[in-house]
Amino acid sequence: EPEVTQTPSHQVTQMGQEVILRCVPISNHLYFYWYRQILGQKVEFLVSFYNNEISEKSEIFDDQFSVERPDGSNFTLKIRSTKLEDSAMYFCASLDRSEGGYTFGSGTRLTVV
Amino acid sequence: EDKVVQSPLSLVVHEGDTVTLNCSYEVTNFRSLLWYKQEKKAPTFLFMLTSSGIEKKSGRLSSILDKKELFSILNITATQTGDSAVYLCAPRYNNNDMRFGAGTRLTVKP
Repeated sequence: EPEVTQTPSHQVTQMGQEVILRCVPISNHLYFYWYRQILGQKVEFLVSFYNNEISEKSEIFDDQFSVERPDGSNFTLKIRSTKLEDSAMYFCASLDRSEGGYTFGSGTRLTVV
Repeated sequence: EDKVVQSPLSLVVHEGDTVTLNCSYEVTNFRSLLWYKQEKKAPTFLFMLTSSGIEKKSGRLSSILDKKELFSILNITATQTGDSAVYLCAPRYNNNDMRFGAGTRLTVKP
């Protein structure tokens, strides 16, 4: 079954550093998403991406965040200057046109120290 | 402001019990409602409900949507320890975005 792949599975970074979280969505999918989940809290929407541009973004997705789909396969989330409160599990998801469910990757656990 | 409320927040049952999980929503541009199961890592898709009153079933799990009263329920019959997880409901909008509720944590004891 097709999968959404996320790398790395765990990243530790120092406060103030830039991080790039990588995702390879399912190849024929058209809609791409990033969500995050702080430990013990709900899954929160960050951003949706369609047709090579951001469709929607939440209040969390401020100027420190950016997304890119640099080629036909990768979908990246960049955090420019990480803060302690960015520590969370970050999930990538993709969706095709159909009425099915979104497919999630297994997540990247980001720890900011 | 859009709202998604799941209840109960947590539930502890014994194997063999039947549980009903609730999700109420108030969202604009509603398209459908999705249920997910989250164990250790990523949410896994269970159901998508678009029409009122049509039950979807998968084994011991079933779900139904009421678009007039703006809620959905997820039923699990004959629960097993492997059903222990957080169950998330998520409205899907017309633009294909999706937002999660806080989830119901189900614990099934042997």
